[in-house]
Amino acid sequence: EAGVVQSPRYKIIEKKQPVAFWCNPISGHNTLYWYLQNLGQGPELLIRYENEEAVDDSQLPKDRFSAERLKGVDSTLKIQPAELGDSAVYLCASSPSLGYIPYNEQFFGPGTRLTVL
Amino acid sequence: DQQVKQNSPSLSVQEGRISILNCDYTNSMFDYFLWYKKYPAEGPTFLISISSIKDKNEDGRFTVFLNKSAKHLSLHIVPSQPGDSAVYFCAATGGGNKLTFGTGTQLKVEL
Repeated sequence: EAGVVQSPRYKIIEKKQPVAFWCNPISGHNTLYWYLQNLGQGPELLIRYENEEAVDDSQLPKDRFSAERLKGVDSTLKIQPAELGDSAVYLCASSPSLGYIPYNEQFFGPGTRLTVL
Repeated sequence: DQQVKQNSPSLSVQEGRISILNCDYTNSMFDYFLWYKKYPAEGPTFLISISSIKDKNEDGRFTVFLNKSAKHLSLHIVPSQPGDSAVYFCAATGGGNKLTFGTGTQLKVEL
């Protein structure tokens, strides 16, 4: 079974430029997450999708960040314009729908390491 | 406000000995706790979890202990192996699959 796929793996851009990250979740996983991981920190949730609906985007800085999951499968996270402080690893994860159990394991992709110069 | 805390950024253990990684939390609404393991240039992978209705869960060499009154959990690895060298993240959820992660502990298992 293929895991969560993310591209690109690394991206270097200058500040004020736009950047986009792509994620393809595990087949059949309806829930998709984007996390931000700063150096020396744990992942922090940016947005969670159930199919194509963003059900939790409270931590997404909406002035410069946007995300979409148009067909409820793959997803794109965009930053425009990028700032120096956006340098971090952007992780995508997916899980089956929650259903009636308290927690469903989240499977993470390898992440995209963004460097803003 | 750090709701999940891992106060030890690093831990070094000899091969064959026990590794104990600690985690504290402040949110009483958390009812499910997990440990994730992360190798460099890879995403975190799930290791072991525990529900708040239990105080211990064991899976092979890995055991997680939960002390709800102290809001503390720990991960024990026995015996430690060089392949266990990684960053370990403690995470917690109070429902809805929303995970709150700690800052991680870098474990190094030395030969």
